[in-house]
Amino acid sequence: SQELEQSPQSLIVQEGKNLTINCTSSKTLYGLYWYKQKYGEGLIFLMMLQKGGEEKSHEKITAKLDEKKQQSSLHITASQPSHAGIYLCGAPRADKLIFGTGTRLQVFP
Amino acid sequence: GAGVSQSPSNKVTEKGKDVELRCDPISGHTALYWYRQSLGQGLEFLIYFQGNSAPDKSGLPSDRFSAERTGGSVSTLTIQRTQQEDSAVYLCASSLEGIRELSYNEQFFGPGTRLTVL
Repeated sequence: SQELEQSPQSLIVQEGKNLTINCTSSKTLYGLYWYKQKYGEGLIFLMMLQKGGEEKSHEKITAKLDEKKQQSSLHITASQPSHAGIYLCGAPRADKLIFGTGTRLQVFP
Repeated sequence: GAGVSQSPSNKVTEKGKDVELRCDPISGHTALYWYRQSLGQGLEFLIYFQGNSAPDKSGLPSDRFSAERTGGSVSTLTIQRTQQEDSAVYLCASSLEGIRELSYNEQFFGPGTRLTVL
């Protein structure tokens, strides 16, 4: 099984709705990165959380790290079509990042 | 250019042929990573370079895969005798320093090379 599991795998929401994506680790988290990927493109860095309880926001996207639960959540407020894509969480493991399974988000008007 | 670049963007090859994928990292970035993204498999780590040496090759799936980095800059991923299961998007990333737990070090990703093995 994957070390980092994301849920849901896929999400379809109406424009303007709020949504949450979760990333759960089976091992201790020493930080957590969130990336977004559009089809045919590389990964775009969103934010990195370093400490338990830390919360960061970028435009309408907020992410939080819960070290005790070994989990991070990414929340999008008032979703827009531009938010559509694949969201990936990544955790540092030694000298590399390991990635979650990904959440595909579609936003329809 | 300011970002990580990869070439070619698309590569279609026949089973059994060798392919070379190229990555140009951001200037000054000492760390370079190769990942593979397959349908249903997510993003898998392949190899990590610090300078020209590769301290972590643990993700290379078989001895048909090899990579090198020269001048602390450009890297080439070579796949010999390609198989259909090698079809994937190969992503390269670079960072100023190597990833470490508990330390912030953003990885910048290239657009990827989509490899299709017929």
